[in-house]
Amino acid sequence: DTAVSQTPKYLVTQMGNDKSIKCEQNLGHDTMYWYKQDSKKFLKIMFSYNNKELIINETVPNRFSPKSPDKAHLNLHINSLELGDSAVYFCASSQEIISFNEQFFGPGTRLTVL
Amino acid sequence: EDKVVQSPLSLVVHEGDTVTLNCSYEVTNFRSLLWYKQEKKAPTFLFMLTSSGIEKKSGRLSSILDKKELFSILNITATQTGDSAVYLCAVRADYQLIWGAGTKLIIKP
Repeated sequence: DTAVSQTPKYLVTQMGNDKSIKCEQNLGHDTMYWYKQDSKKFLKIMFSYNNKELIINETVPNRFSPKSPDKAHLNLHINSLELGDSAVYFCASSQEIISFNEQFFGPGTRLTVL
Repeated sequence: EDKVVQSPLSLVVHEGDTVTLNCSYEVTNFRSLLWYKQEKKAPTFLFMLTSSGIEKKSGRLSSILDKKELFSILNITATQTGDSAVYLCAVRADYQLIWGAGTKLIIKP
């Protein structure tokens, strides 16, 4: 069984569109994250939720809105997509807040904005 | 500003060689340093280091942290083609994980 799953794996869309990426974890973890990995391989944290509460909200545009309907899901909605949003987006989860143990990553969603 | 710098950015060696990857950091409220291996998919956890001078080892991989000089190294001995990947270093500071850009390691047969 996949521990952290994301859908879709690939997303190609036009500038200005609104899109969502879904993430689910079946590990029973309390904390979930969204990361953006750019072309230079930097992994930048965007958001973190602990038990459905937002605990980290880095400087990302308001066009990005995370939603956590329950602690097993953390979805990312992006409005008015821009070219610079093209990247791979990783969802991750851990038992505690930025756990001392490992974070489990999803397979990533490659977003291409044309 | 907090930052994590990895070097080299890329490295090509032959199977059987030993490699050393570097990670230096400037971070407020350092808690721990983590190493990840990323192949074509998501990063997978390798090590977490919190104390200086204590080597962590897993098979042919080992890592050590120097909190005085603010760096860590990841060693891979007797490299194999399956070690080809991007190796990512991340530093935990309070509720943040700050990531380096990674070292792309290519092992030639």
